[in-house]
Amino acid sequence: SQQGEEDPQALSIQEGENATMNCSYKTSINNLQWYRQNSGRGLVHLILIRSNEREKHSGRLRVTLDTSKKSSSLLITASRAADTASYFCATDSGNTPLVFGKGTRLSVIA
Amino acid sequence: DADVTQTPRNRITKTGKRIMLECSQTKGHDRMYWYRQDPGLGLRLIYYSFDVKDINKGEISDGYSVSRQAQAKFSLSLESAIPNQTALYFCATSDEGVTDTQYFGPGTRLTVL
Repeated sequence: SQQGEEDPQALSIQEGENATMNCSYKTSINNLQWYRQNSGRGLVHLILIRSNEREKHSGRLRVTLDTSKKSSSLLITASRAADTASYFCATDSGNTPLVFGKGTRLSVIA
Repeated sequence: DADVTQTPRNRITKTGKRIMLECSQTKGHDRMYWYRQDPGLGLRLIYYSFDVKDINKGEISDGYSVSRQAQAKFSLSLESAIPNQTALYFCATSDEGVTDTQYFGPGTRLTVL
């Protein structure tokens, strides 16, 4: 069964706006990762946040983690049409494979 | 990621046929995975292998089998394909490290008629 659940399932914004996606999970984790998938292609790792971290930045990406609420958010600032993709969170709970959520489909309209 | 390759990229087959999907990697990773992706269901783990002698069932292993021929190769077989196995299949690898970040192949689109 899936650990992470992204919200919303789909998001449509104008170019230049910020996009925020959320992920909730059920059990304790070592780290949480975000991946991006362009239509029909393999997932690509974007950013990782460890359980003892609260916020992390990478370029236009900002990830937060609240272990007390078992939730994470991914913020993409100043979105571009090229950011159109599906975004997945994945949780690492130890010596077992990552567990992926169902993803958020982001559409950035030029 | 060109370091993880999958063959074939597309396959159309008929119900009852045996199908093999192959995955190769040049990343030197010990861990390899097979997932299927269906619209609205995200990624579901079929099988995984943490080293050449290790094979583990994932969430949806029924109807599938795997073979880890070498560190670099991990094959997925559908013994007798059925239409509800129509999906996009991904192979992934990861290093046994602190983060276990996964690297995905380009996918195989399988259609079972």
